Amino acid sequence: NAGVTQTPKFQVLKTGQSMTLQCAQDMNHNSMYWYRQDPGMGLRLIYYSASEGTTDKGEVPNGYNVSRLNKREFSLRLESAAPSQTSVYFCASSDSGNSYGYTFGSGTRLTVV
Amino acid sequence: LAKTTQPISMDSYEGQEVNITCSHNNIATNDYITWYQQFPSQGPRFIIQGYKTKVKNEVASLFIPADRKSSTLSLPRVSLSDTAVYYCLVGSSTGGGNKLTFGTGTQLKVEL
Repeated sequence: NAGVTQTPKFQVLKTGQSMTLQCAQDMNHNSMYWYRQDPGMGLRLIYYSASEGTTDKGEVPNGYNVSRLNKREFSLRLESAAPSQTSVYFCASSDSGNSYGYTFGSGTRLTVV
Repeated sequence: LAKTTQPISMDSYEGQEVNITCSHNNIATNDYITWYQQFPSQGPRFIIQGYKTKVKNEVASLFIPADRKSSTLSLPRVSLSDTAVYYCLVGSSTGGGNKLTFGTGTQLKVEL
């Protein structure tokens, strides 16, 4: 099983450009999450989706939008990228009936210049 | 959400046992304690989870006292490959829409 797949792995954007980070999971999990991790810091929750058709803001949602396209896919969109959004973005999924917590993707390293 | 406090960093040598303690004074009745491991340039990886007493798997042990206000992750006979950041999280259920909060974690460095 692939688990959680994120694309792209690396991206460089100019200030003001837009882009969408893609995330897909093949574990039939109900919930999906987007986190960002800045150098030397822990992960901060941007948005999450408890189940298909629902999304909610996390700790740092400003400047981002999300779409839970179906049960498998959860995308994160930056409408107008800013240098402050330079970070590593991680997607994760979980199943409330699973006792093993979150499964994370390998991350997208985004640089905004 | 219960806040956790853990040491910023720890150093150890290969073959030693490492114990990382996490404080979570405000843990709620329904909260579980979960530990993750993160290597550079990778997403966090689940290590172990527990509710009370002791839990053990092939990677680590988790000790939780009766009051559940702290927990200790024990890594037996560490190797260089155990160098990573270890996060302690507290939350209800195991995910399912609950917003688990990651702190800055504990940077474990293992040397020869």
